[in-house]
Parts: sequence; C-alpha cells; structure tokens
Amino acid sequence: DVKVTQSSRYLVKRTGEKVFLECVQDMDHENMFWYRQDPGLGLRLIYFSYDVKMKEKGDIPEGYSVSREKKERFSLILESASTNQTSMYLCASTPGSSNEQYFGPGTRLTVT
Amino acid sequence: SQELEQSPQSLIVQEGKNLTINCTSSKTLYGLYWYKQKYGEGLIFLMMLQKGGEEKSHEKITAKLDEKKQQSSLHITASQPSHAGIYLCGADRSGGGADGLTFGKGTHLIIQP
Repeated sequence: DVKVTQSSRYLVKRTGEKVFLECVQDMDHENMFWYRQDPGLGLRLIYFSYDVKMKEKGDIPEGYSVSREKKERFSLILESASTNQTSMYLCASTPGSSNEQYFGPGTRLTVT
Repeated sequence: SQELEQSPQSLIVQEGKNLTINCTSSKTLYGLYWYKQKYGEGLIFLMMLQKGGEEKSHEKITAKLDEKKQQSSLHITASQPSHAGIYLCGADRSGGGADGLTFGKGTHLIIQP
C-alpha cells in the first residue's frame, strides 16, 4: 500500500514565522501535490511537482513556496505565516501520468 | 476554470436506507474521482470514472458518469454507520497528465441508527 506521511498532525505557529510542512511518500511516485482545505471552499491545489527540483503552481500559490530535493519528499514553505493561512494542509502523490491522488493524513495548521 | 458543484451539501440518512450524492461539472470531465474523508483526516480513494456512461461498483457503493461526461452520481445502498463522512468529487484540472484535481466542496453524510 502507498503510504504518504506528513510530519505533524497539528501545528500552531505565530504570525510572521517561517513554517515548513513536510511530506514523505514511500512508493517511488513521480508526482507530489500540496492542497489546502477550508470550510466552504473545499480542497484547493497550491503547488505540485513532477520530479526532483521541479515545481508547478497550482490554483492558489500566493504566499507559499515548495522544495523537492529528493523524490520521496515534498516540502511546503510559508515564508511569513499569516492568519489567513490557518487551514488543513493535505499532501498527495501519484505515479507516472496518473492523477489518482494518494493522500496523507493532513496537517492542521493554526497561525495566531 | 472548472467548477464542481456537489449536492446535497449535507445528508442525514437512517441506517439501512439508500442515498445518492451528485456532482455536476461546468465543463466536460476527462476524469472524475470520488473520495471519502473522515472528519479531520486524509482522503481515501473510492473510484475513478473516465468514459461516458461508465459505472463502477465497490461493495455497496456505485458511481456513474453520464453520457455527456458532465455529471456523476454516487449511490450507497443499505447505508451503514461506516459510510458516514465527507464525500468529495474531484476532476482532472486539464485534459491529461498528473497536474492535480479540482474538487467539489463535499457532501457531509450522517447515518442515524
């Protein structure tokens, strides 16, 4: 079974802090994704990556950056956290040209 | 950009009853995915539909994609408490390739004993 893990289930940070959310998948998937999920807005794609050192903007990339130094690891970075980035963050991966997403358990981030 | 409209937003069903959740797209669907989410957790893949008129079943859950590929339905037969959760439909953001999904806002399903 594909396993996608996220470094924290819950995280509380202060406004202005630099925040790293880590995601690791153990099935050698080429593609990795970061989404955020908010009540009334659903899941929205932030960034994705086809390969190591590759990144593509999703639908809401503003305020975020990403890093993919190794195939199995995809990091989401909030350079200066703001309260409107309080959300549930979900990482996913897919093999090859498939878009069938395998999701991690999510990180609930609160920015105060 | 593509939008997915799910209905109903929430549903309370007595255990043992059947139910249907709908997902309507503003554009032709290339791939339509159904996921289930337990509250506060990640999403679990249920089924994927690609061809007009396609129907897939897994245990008591059946998903269909209409001929025009703009609407999908998820039908649960003889609902059980384990079916409770949030059901989300997702669609390919573009015509092909692994570039992520656009999701509907979800349907909250509650099963009453």
